[in-house]
Amino acid sequence: DTGVSQNPRHKITKRGQNVTFRCDPISEHNRLYWYRQTLGQGPEFLTYFQNEAQLEKSRLLSDRFSAERPKGSFSTLEIQRTEQGDSAMYLCASSLGVDNEQFFGPGTRLTVL
Amino acid sequence: GQQLNQSPQSMFIQEGEDVSMNCTSSSIFNTWLWYKQDPGEGPVLLIALYKAGELTSNGRLTAQFGITRKDSFLNISASIPSDVGIYFCAGQGGETSYDKVIFGPGTSLSVIP
Repeated sequence: DTGVSQNPRHKITKRGQNVTFRCDPISEHNRLYWYRQTLGQGPEFLTYFQNEAQLEKSRLLSDRFSAERPKGSFSTLEIQRTEQGDSAMYLCASSLGVDNEQFFGPGTRLTVL
Repeated sequence: GQQLNQSPQSMFIQEGEDVSMNCTSSSIFNTWLWYKQDPGEGPVLLIALYKAGELTSNGRLTAQFGITRKDSFLNISASIPSDVGIYFCAGQGGETSYDKVIFGPGTSLSVIP
């Protein structure tokens, strides 16, 4: 299967710890997006990349959050000094260009204790 | 920022019944999207609408892009148990960043066999 994959699927951490998530997009897709989804809500845009360039960041992305896509393929999302409010599902999506469908991965569910 | 509202918030229907759900926006979008999300999975695109007034079908699903560009509806005919899930409308383009997709809060659908 060559869909979008995310690892880990679940992460439980203690408040104050750092966590890193990985997203592997569909191989030929040049755009990669990160979203956050809390219970009972739709996904909220966090940031996106075109190839290795990070083109937009939401105001939701505080300075504790950083995303990279160093070689224009996989991406990582790091959260430093996690807070309980960071508990959510973190979704990654990829697309081939701006006008094409975004394919979502299964998400990483983060629980901060 | 742009916000989407979906109604109803949840629905319980008998298998075989038709379903209709709505999405409204505080401002215009250039593209309307309808996604379905199953538990533990990322959203999957069902239908994309690109022009005001456009009516598009995908099997038992029909969606329309409102003339005002501020609303859309999704109909599901002859519902079956596998239709269970959360349906999200989403808008892209318009008054936000062209690339950013804004999701509504979702309509939860339950189908009683």
